[in-house]
Amino acid sequence: QVQLVQSGAEVKKPGASVKVSCKVSGYTLTELSMHWVRQAPGKGLEWMGGFDPEDGETIYAQKFQGRVTMTEDTSTDTAYMELSSLRSEDTAVYYCAARSSITVKDAFDIWGQGTMVTVSS
Amino acid sequence: SYELTQPPSVSVSPGQTARITCSGDALPKQYAYWYQQKPGQAPVLVIYKDSERPSGIPERFSGSSSGTTVTLTISGVQAEDEADYYCQSADSSGTVVFGGGTKLTVL
Repeated sequence: QVQLVQSGAEVKKPGASVKVSCKVSGYTLTELSMHWVRQAPGKGLEWMGGFDPEDGETIYAQKFQGRVTMTEDTSTDTAYMELSSLRSEDTAVYYCAARSSITVKDAFDIWGQGTMVTVSS
Repeated sequence: SYELTQPPSVSVSPGQTARITCSGDALPKQYAYWYQQKPGQAPVLVIYKDSERPSGIPERFSGSSSGTTVTLTISGVQAEDEADYYCQSADSSGTVVFGGGTKLTVL
């Protein structure tokens, strides 16, 4: 049974950076296409970016380009999302979400439990 | 990228059929996906590729597509189906978009 286990809640000051981790168990990271989705309090889901296996590149939502970096450590099957220049509007739950097979195509069939990031002075 | 539009809320009585729509110009060319999210929980995939149901998802959940609109149908709604539902799609470049979400209330 594949599981994505994320790091714990973070509190950051405006202007700082945050790095959230997502550890894969039951699969290897290379078997998944890992993405990141966030949800501000009381709001909807917002895609931030992820790995596109068709061209082997990470793609980012235009809104976050230049401010977000997504990396993977295949030796530990852990994915990371780092967001810099934090502002209050970045307060949200951050999810890692993965595609486990080509059967589901562009869907996310596996989700982490979420990591709350609070940006406050 | 493009937008996906959902109604903010839908209400049904237990045992009735709930239909949640999602509209977008690219939907005739791209698949749609549906997620259920209950308070404090991560989303769960309930429909993929317009109408396919993942294993473990009850048969009362179904999906359909017609032109620029896709529909999630929940037949015989149960109290436990009360949740937020999100549609999602992706364009040819791999950019992912979510609809704004629909709150399903079971009266």
